[in-house]
Amino acid sequence: SQQGEEDPQALSIQEGENATMNCSYKTSINNLQWYRQNSGRGLVHLILIRSNEREKHSGRLRVTLDTSKKSSSLLITASRAADTASYFCATDLRSGGGADGLTFGKGTHLIIQP
Amino acid sequence: GAGVSQTPSNKVTEKGKYVELRCDPISGHTALYWYRQSLGQGPEFLIYFQGTGAADDSGLPNDRFFAVRPEGSVSTLKIQRTERGDSAVYLCASSLSGNAKNIQYFGAGTRLSVL
Repeated sequence: SQQGEEDPQALSIQEGENATMNCSYKTSINNLQWYRQNSGRGLVHLILIRSNEREKHSGRLRVTLDTSKKSSSLLITASRAADTASYFCATDLRSGGGADGLTFGKGTHLIIQP
Repeated sequence: GAGVSQTPSNKVTEKGKYVELRCDPISGHTALYWYRQSLGQGPEFLIYFQGTGAADDSGLPNDRFFAVRPEGSVSTLKIQRTERGDSAVYLCASSLSGNAKNIQYFGAGTRLSVL
């Protein structure tokens, strides 16, 4: 089963605009991660935010986490054509914080129009 | 060094056949994970190794699926009596340790097609 649900499922914007994707999850977490996937293969880690953090930045990426609402958002500023990809949020499989796999949502497919 | 390597990149087989998918993790990474990704879905966890042992195999769908990591490095995912529903991209990831805060690094995956 998949815990995270990204919203929207698909997003098409013009190059230079900002893109915002949201993720909701069901159970308590230790941290939440965002990954990018190009052409259905090979996920690339973007950013990890811990449960005691509310916001984190990395380059053009900004991630927020609201544990009370069990939701996170990923903002990509000044989008580029190369940002076209699917974006997934992932949470640890179990809330106990042990060594586990990740639970992914279905992803948001982002298309940047030149 | 090199990233996570998966071979083959594509595998076509017939229903009922046996297949092996290989994963070569990043050197020094003790934790190794297998996921399966169907079209239009996110990856689904299959199994996790810490060293040579399977620490969590709760994601394996049934007993046709089995994975090994005999020397704590390379891992092989084995699927017996393949079914058409097994068609998917099988992804492998590794991390420095099994700590949940460690980032997982993914390979490019093996696309399995069962005809």
